[in-house]
Amino acid sequence: ETGVTQTPRHLVMGMTNKKSLKCEQHLGHNAMYWYKQSAKKPLELMFVYNFKEQTENNSVPSRFSPECPNSSHLFLHLHTLQPEDSALYLCASSQDPQLGEKLFFGSGTQLSVL
Amino acid sequence: AQKITQTQPGMFVQEKEAVTLDCTYDTSDPSYGLFWYKQPSSGEMIFLIYQGSYDQQNATEGRYSLNFQKARKSANLVISASQLGDSAMYFCAMREVVFGNEKLTFGTGTRLTIIP
Repeated sequence: ETGVTQTPRHLVMGMTNKKSLKCEQHLGHNAMYWYKQSAKKPLELMFVYNFKEQTENNSVPSRFSPECPNSSHLFLHLHTLQPEDSALYLCASSQDPQLGEKLFFGSGTQLSVL
Repeated sequence: AQKITQTQPGMFVQEKEAVTLDCTYDTSDPSYGLFWYKQPSSGEMIFLIYQGSYDQQNATEGRYSLNFQKARKSANLVISASQLGDSAMYFCAMREVVFGNEKLTFGTGTRLTIIP
């Protein structure tokens, strides 16, 4: 069982829909991350939260809105997405965002925007 | 410019043979970290091995070892005695500090297929 759980595993949505991705970590970590994985492209860091505070917004469009209510939960709220936003969205956590800390990933949400 | 380069999009290897997955990186920061992750078809990224830029010895974790050549800026992953369960995507990643922020940059990955 992974220590990082993401729901839903798959999501199909229209461009006018509003949906949310959920991530929960059971590892007692303090930092959480959202990554986007598109076909044939490197993983792209979207957001970083450290102790519930957003410390990184990697020039992500405002149609993606993260929320971190506590250090165990992370959400990604989606609205008016574009077809090019279709990708695997991976959540990760680490003890803290230090140089040698490894990330623990969830299994991702495969998002399709129609 | 690419920070992390993985030149092998796909590899086929016979079971029980050793395999080397290539990774080169680019940074001007003297302090950085290098990671390898495995992504099976389930989607989860699984940490395999870590090498710090100041580590004197090459990292090893079971069947995984990292061939770290600092002057060449390469960090190849070596898997010994490959198994069918090793079939997956493999990503090299580098962690560095950019303007005071931690950045983890991934390569495009190598798809490894182990042939029985």
